[in-house]
Amino acid sequence: GAVVSQHPSRVICKSGTSVKIECRSLDFQATTMFWYRQFPKQSLMLMATSNEGSKATYEQGVEKDKFLINHASLTLSTLTVTSAHPEDSSFYICSARPPGGFDQPQHFGDGTRLSIL
Amino acid sequence: GESVGLHLPTLSVQEGDNSIINCAYSNSASDYFIWYKQESGKGPQFIIDIRSNMDKRQGQRVTVLLNKTVKHLSLQIAATQPGDSAVYFCAENLAGNTPLVFGKGTRLSVIA
Repeated sequence: GAVVSQHPSRVICKSGTSVKIECRSLDFQATTMFWYRQFPKQSLMLMATSNEGSKATYEQGVEKDKFLINHASLTLSTLTVTSAHPEDSSFYICSARPPGGFDQPQHFGDGTRLSIL
Repeated sequence: GESVGLHLPTLSVQEGDNSIINCAYSNSASDYFIWYKQESGKGPQFIIDIRSNMDKRQGQRVTVLLNKTVKHLSLQIAATQPGDSAVYFCAENLAGNTPLVFGKGTRLSVIA
């Protein structure tokens, strides 16, 4: 089945640090990947749609200069949280949908737990 | 029984009983729906999906029911096991190759 890999699984760093999270589709090519953010005991909130070879599309209220997205290849998207602060601490999850139409489920990585001290 | 917590409603069931998790979706134009299971510290895991031209679909121990009239989706788990304890999310596809929109989620707690 389709597999999405996310790395790292956990990051603990000081305030002001920039953190890069990688999302890879392991057995399919994905022209589009999605980045979600999840706070404790809440649902997943879409942050942005990552488009291979073009700019990402950000949801309302998500700062594009804060959350930099790069989708340089058909199997890799990266999310960089720039100058992270404690309020950026959260669980970040990426997903991708295999080719074949809209009625294919999105497959998710195992998330990255980001803790900013 | 079912209770509503600060953020996530919780459903507690006895091991071996059937579980029914409900979801109200937002857009009558949504054409594809998925149920995901999320265990602590992990990403959502695909359980079962259904297209809008269907009203029922069965998998192994799971059944999804779709009622488009009232925009309601349910997930039935037969013979619930301790390993089924997790948070369950419904998700809808609004149109074409767009990102899924997730419901609020329900925590299923299985009592051994």
